[in-house]
Amino acid sequence: AQTVTQSQPEMSVQEAETVTLSCTYDTSESDYYLFWYKQPPSRQMILVIRQEAYKQQNATENRFSVNFQKAAKSFSLKISDSQLGDAAMYFCAYTYNNNDMRFGAGTRLTVKP
Amino acid sequence: NAGVTQTPKFQVLKTGQSMTLQCAQDMNHEYMSWYRQDPGMGLRLIHYSVGAGITDQGEVPNGYNVSRSTTEDFPLRLLSAAPSQTSVYFCASSNMGLNQPQHFGDGTRLSIL
Repeated sequence: AQTVTQSQPEMSVQEAETVTLSCTYDTSESDYYLFWYKQPPSRQMILVIRQEAYKQQNATENRFSVNFQKAAKSFSLKISDSQLGDAAMYFCAYTYNNNDMRFGAGTRLTVKP
Repeated sequence: NAGVTQTPKFQVLKTGQSMTLQCAQDMNHEYMSWYRQDPGMGLRLIHYSVGAGITDQGEVPNGYNVSRSTTEDFPLRLLSAAPSQTSVYFCASSNMGLNQPQHFGDGTRLSIL
């Protein structure tokens, strides 16, 4: 079964600085999709960024970007110019079909003013 | 535009009781799914539906039933609640499936005594 591993249970960053959250996954598929979701204290899951594995170009969304290393099965999230509102749990997720989606255990990000 | 609406937000049950968690979406999405979130773990897929009248099992389906009579609604039923089902439950919908961005509800915190 596919697994998703987030090796950093907690991370902290100074406001306005840059932080990188790590994610690795295990799969034998060649075509799949990766996601980062944010869960603030309000509990709602919010999509941060989506990456299609067949695309070489790393996805970006404003201050959020990914470093997708397909051969290494790595999908890290970089948050630039961190803001207080970025404080949340961040979940990495993987799917290759409509039958299954696997989430990592999450990384709790603290932003220090 | 309400998005995905889950009711109730909180519920306490006794072991053996039954209940239904409601989920409704107003985005005309074909794909809907249910997840559970336990401490220290990512979300795990319980059941999903690719359209009205079609449902299937996810990673952790035991103890739960679903049905999809309309595009808008996707209720999750616990027939005989067990303490192991204490969790936060999320409903989500997407336009085409798991490889597309999912829209999540605010979750239901369920405690079973």
